Amino acid sequence: DGGITQSPKYLFRKEGQNVTLSCEQNLNHDAMYWYRQDPGQGLRLIYYSQIVNDFQKGDIAEGYSVSREKKESFPLTVTSAQKNPTAFYLCASSPGRITGELFFGEGSRLTVL
Amino acid sequence: DQQVKQNSPSLSVQEGRISILNCDYTNSMFDYFLWYKKYPAEGPTFLISISSIKDKNEDGRFTVFLNKSAKHLSLHIVPSQPGDSAVYFCAARGPNTDKLIFGTGTRLQVFP
Repeated sequence: DGGITQSPKYLFRKEGQNVTLSCEQNLNHDAMYWYRQDPGQGLRLIYYSQIVNDFQKGDIAEGYSVSREKKESFPLTVTSAQKNPTAFYLCASSPGRITGELFFGEGSRLTVL
Repeated sequence: DQQVKQNSPSLSVQEGRISILNCDYTNSMFDYFLWYKKYPAEGPTFLISISSIKDKNEDGRFTVFLNKSAKHLSLHIVPSQPGDSAVYFCAARGPNTDKLIFGTGTRLQVFP
């Protein structure tokens, strides 16, 4: 089945540790996105990539890093520089601007202890 | 600065009645609007969209209305069903970007 797979679904991290969230899609979509959801704040864009080997910062990129070495994969690293990393992280992909629709994964919940 | 606003954090509707979810935006350059539905601990799923050249789009029980002069859109669900209980996000996009700007969401509860 085509879709977006995020892993792990739940992750616990100690303060000061970096952690990488995986996002893989087999929809052959060019664009991929990382959003963060916090209670009462909706979805906020962290990073996005419209093509392999290229990515742009979103609205809240500080403390995060990404790579886009393959079309199918867009991993997000939450670094120790991120002040408030506990959140629900959502990866999405899009076929392009024609429809504007994003397809989301099931999310990864990161808790910093 | 919240460019897309959903001022009602929650809404409770009886089964069979109409649910109306509202969304306001501030950027007049937005040209495409979408509604997503989200269950707890899951990713959002796309519901319906509308381009700024239209004022209405229907898909089954779901209708989205766009009032550009008021910078307002609404999602109507008729008739509402218990399975519609979820958080609904509206989102908007500008003409020269692929980025979607999301609202804060409205939690809809449909009771029997």
